Amino acid sequence: QKEVEQNSGPLSVPEGAIASLNCTYSDRGSQSFFWYRQYSGKSPELIMFIYSNGDKEDGRFTAQLNKASQYVSLLIRDSQPSDSATYLCAVLGSSNTGKLIFGQGTTLQVKP
Amino acid sequence: DAGVTQSPTHLIKTRGQQVTLRCSPKSGHDTVSWYQQALGQGPQFIFQYYEEEERQRGNFPDRFSGHQFPNYSSELNVNALLLGDSALYLCASSRTGEDTQYFGPGTRLTVL
Repeated sequence: QKEVEQNSGPLSVPEGAIASLNCTYSDRGSQSFFWYRQYSGKSPELIMFIYSNGDKEDGRFTAQLNKASQYVSLLIRDSQPSDSATYLCAVLGSSNTGKLIFGQGTTLQVKP
Repeated sequence: DAGVTQSPTHLIKTRGQQVTLRCSPKSGHDTVSWYQQALGQGPQFIFQYYEEEERQRGNFPDRFSGHQFPNYSSELNVNALLLGDSALYLCASSRTGEDTQYFGPGTRLTVL
């Protein structure tokens, strides 16, 4: 079992729709969770972080965390073509040594 | 506020050679982590430097080594390059006591 798992996609949604990106993790003691966006040929850019169970909203983005189910998700409302990118889920391990563990990323395509 | 910077942007080497990659952290950050990202994969943690010492290391051979300087900048050295070392090398910086890591633009290494 991979430490952090994401569906590689591509996930295709029409412009204006809600995109839902999912991630599961294996280390039950993990405390910190991050979503990065990566455009083709570029480096990861931090979108959101979440530490507590529940929802955290920032503009069009909502991160959701369920530690009991070891599940993290990212919702993008009113998706735009500029949101087309790979979205990386990252988890800080329970040993809290600064090592981020990444999933392989989900490619999102927003069609005009 | 300057972000994380890395040099060079691109590098082409041949098998068996050695390479040094450089990173300057974001202003106010004192911790530097290095990641390797192969095509189509999520970043893989190489190691982290804090107070000029390697604090944590991922599953990479000793050919990968690093250094942190008193101004918090860092170098990644790779010896005896293999074709499989071709990847995007990412530097991320963070502040002590904070989990969030911010990535630089990366160095694209090609080994021929």
